[in-house]
Order: sequence, then structure tokens, then C-alpha cells
Amino acid sequence: GIQVEQSPPDLILQEGANSTLRCNFSDSVNNLQWFHQNPWGQLINLFYIPSGTKQNGRLSATTVATERYSLLYISSSQTTDSGVYFCAVGVGFGNEKLTFGTGTRLTIIP
Amino acid sequence: GAVVSQHPSRVICKSGTSVKIECRSLDFQATTMFWYRQFPKQSLMLMATSNEGSKATYEQGVEKDKFLINHASLTLSTLTVTSAHPEDSSFYICSAVPGLGANVLTFGAGSRLTVL
Repeated sequence: GIQVEQSPPDLILQEGANSTLRCNFSDSVNNLQWFHQNPWGQLINLFYIPSGTKQNGRLSATTVATERYSLLYISSSQTTDSGVYFCAVGVGFGNEKLTFGTGTRLTIIP
Repeated sequence: GAVVSQHPSRVICKSGTSVKIECRSLDFQATTMFWYRQFPKQSLMLMATSNEGSKATYEQGVEKDKFLINHASLTLSTLTVTSAHPEDSSFYICSAVPGLGANVLTFGAGSRLTVL
């Protein structure tokens, strides 16, 4: 099956800093989503981005499908950004079935 | 927006007992729901795809007789962990696609199972 690797695995930053999270996948995908899992376990969808670039406030994401990677940018980090960020991909048709990446644990220090 | 409700949020049970977890779509109909399992500090692993009115599709390595899935209506899927053992202790999360043609998954808040 498809392999989804994220880097870095852990990231500790001061409040206000910027960060870039990376997601590499081993095969072509028709669906790619970024999620934030808060400390209580709730997953929130950040972006649906199988290709191209999107921005939502302090967050933006870029997927280069031909090179099989996606990047999530977080600017001006806040403590509420802490948690685990996952990318998840779907292949083929009926692509709601997602394979999750290894995750990046982000800790923002006040 | 689309909301998926999951219950209970936490459950503690004795070894050998069965536990049922419910996943409901509150404001949309979901013909398909997904059940994931997450061990501490690990990623989410898909266990099974729950299909309304038909049998669930289980991922390789997941025991269908141990993890019973029922999707009896368009708004409710249940996962029953039968004869639970300590190694079944985990965080179980359901998700659904809110609407025909939608690609974005909506997740429940998860259920933390502890088997003593």
C-alpha cells in the first residue's frame, strides 16, 4: 500500500515563529487532506488539497502532486496551534478511504 | 457544518466483556463511515469501512469477529469490541463523508477504551 511519511516528527517553537511541515507519499493520489489533532484527540480538517496551493488565515498548504509531496505552513504560531498534524491521502476512485501519515507533533511555547 | 457525534468518549471495562461505541452523523446522511484506531503517540490506522445496509469491509489484519460493525441506518454506525482484552485498549475514531460527492472527512471526537 501507499506510504506516507511526515517530517519532522517533533517540532518545538516559540510563540510567533513560523514553521513548515512536510508530507511525502509514495504513489499518485486523488485526495490529500491535512488535519490537526488537538490534545483531546479531536481531528479537525485544515485543507483538502490534492494539488495546488490554498490559504486560510495563518495557515497555507501546497501540494506538488507530480513530485509526491505536500507542505503545510504555519505563520505567527500561537499556543493553540499545538497538537499533532497529520496529512492523509486517498488513492484511486472512491477516495474517501484515507491513509494517514506518521504525523508531526508541534509544541508552541509561550 | 457537518457534525459527527461519537459516544461514549471514555469507557473502562473488564477483560472479557464487550463494549459498544456509537457513531452518529447529526445533520447529514452517511452511507459510508470509517472506523480508525489510534495507539498512543501513533498515527491513525483504518480498521474498516462501514456501509449502510451491508457488511463492513475490514482492512487486512483486523479481526471481523472481534470488531463487529453495524451500520443499520444512514445516521448510525456502531463498533462493538467483543471479549475485550488489555491489548484492545486504544483510541477509536469514526469518520464520515458529509454528502454525496464530498471529499472531506468529518471526524467524531473519539472513544478512549481502557480494558483492565
